[in-house]
Amino acid sequence: QTVVTQEPSFSVSPGGTVTLTCGLSSGSVSTNSYPSWYQQTPGQAPRTLIYSTNIRSSGVPDRFSGSILGSKAALTITGAQADDECDYYCVLFVGSAWVFGGGTKLTVL
Amino acid sequence: EVQLVESGGALVQPGGSLRLSCSASGFTFNKNSMHWVRQAPGKGPEYISSISGNGDTTYYADSLKGRFTIFRDNSKNTLYLQVSSLRAEDTAVYYCVKDRGGTWSFDKWGQGTLVSVSS
Repeated sequence: QTVVTQEPSFSVSPGGTVTLTCGLSSGSVSTNSYPSWYQQTPGQAPRTLIYSTNIRSSGVPDRFSGSILGSKAALTITGAQADDECDYYCVLFVGSAWVFGGGTKLTVL
Repeated sequence: EVQLVESGGALVQPGGSLRLSCSASGFTFNKNSMHWVRQAPGKGPEYISSISGNGDTTYYADSLKGRFTIFRDNSKNTLYLQVSSLRAEDTAVYYCVKDRGGTWSFDKWGQGTLVSVSS
């Protein structure tokens, strides 16, 4: 069974830069996994941030960027703001299905 | 503007069945694949199933095959998820999600409908 791994939690200072990663329990993440990233605040539906590794969804600020770093997909937030404090989920397309990572709870303090 | 409105969530007894609906507007429904994703309380989202624009092709998460059936009525711009033999662990918010064509990713999400399974 495919497991997508994410850091359970991360902390960043206001104005700082943080990189969240998304890996596979077995193997490397590549652009062929079509990594995408979703942001979720409490009580709300997820919102699409990044798709196809590094393309920002409409209306997403350019301080959010996606990439492949080594064997993992990565979401970098540059100039973190207080309202970036929420949960972030990556999704990989593996085989013929989509698999969610367990999510990273980001704290901005 | 894309709008996805889920309905049909309810409190159901274990072993029961439910049909969830998602009414879509603001885009050409029959040209877009659609997905169902669920999220149990305090947990991350979990992929359930997908269906192509014309309804001919469906995908299911391996762990959920058998009890979930996705289908659509393009004449009504509506997506459905039939769930049977419900268990306590099926308790979750069920989201309808529009596909972002050609990118193997999710686009717009509905606000979800809550399914609670309890006796």
